[in-house]
Amino acid sequence: GQNIDQPTEMTATEGAIVQINCTYQTSGFNGLFWYQQHAGEAPTFLSYNVLDGLEEKGRFSSFLSRSKGYSYLLLKELQMKDSASYLCAVMDSNYQLIWGAGTKLIIKP
Amino acid sequence: DAGITQSPRHKVTETGTPVTLRCHQTENHRYMYWYRQDPGHGLRLIHYSYGVKDTDKGEVSDGYSVSRSKTEDFLLTLESATSSQTSVYFCAISESTSGEEHTGELFFGEGSRLTVL
Repeated sequence: GQNIDQPTEMTATEGAIVQINCTYQTSGFNGLFWYQQHAGEAPTFLSYNVLDGLEEKGRFSSFLSRSKGYSYLLLKELQMKDSASYLCAVMDSNYQLIWGAGTKLIIKP
Repeated sequence: DAGITQSPRHKVTETGTPVTLRCHQTENHRYMYWYRQDPGHGLRLIHYSYGVKDTDKGEVSDGYSVSRSKTEDFLLTLESATSSQTSVYFCAISESTSGEEHTGELFFGEGSRLTVL
């Protein structure tokens, strides 16, 4: 079966760095997405990786290793507004998105 | 922000009643999706559409039907609502699937919270 695994919850301190991991097993691979979802709101797109390596976008970076079925989202200089759930999703060979259950990130002052 | 609206945003209904949720987009995107989101689960695809009158089932389609008679509207119908269909429903749109020119990113509506008593 197809599976996306990510930690349920993480806690970090304002100003620090946090890494949210995502491992996947899917039928084929056509890209990996990270979305941010604040409580009670819709998910919003953060990043897309289809080739191995690191993609940097401001305070957020996303890394992909296709051979290991592994990705991480790196958040630097954490701010209170970064408190949210972070959703990992993989597009399989049929171009269907398989979603992880999300990682709830709690930022403490 | 992508122009996508859902209605109603909140609905409480009784078991056995029909319910229709509407998704309206102003972006002229080809693909439209209905997801449900429940605690402890990832977003789960109910149905999707790749064009007018072209729809297909997702992983949790039982008990749901959809229609897309116009590019901008995608309707989700629960013919006879059950308590297990209590959830938050998200509509999403995308310009394309992922490829060389597009990431295939989804734009989501604000969600419709449905409670079936």
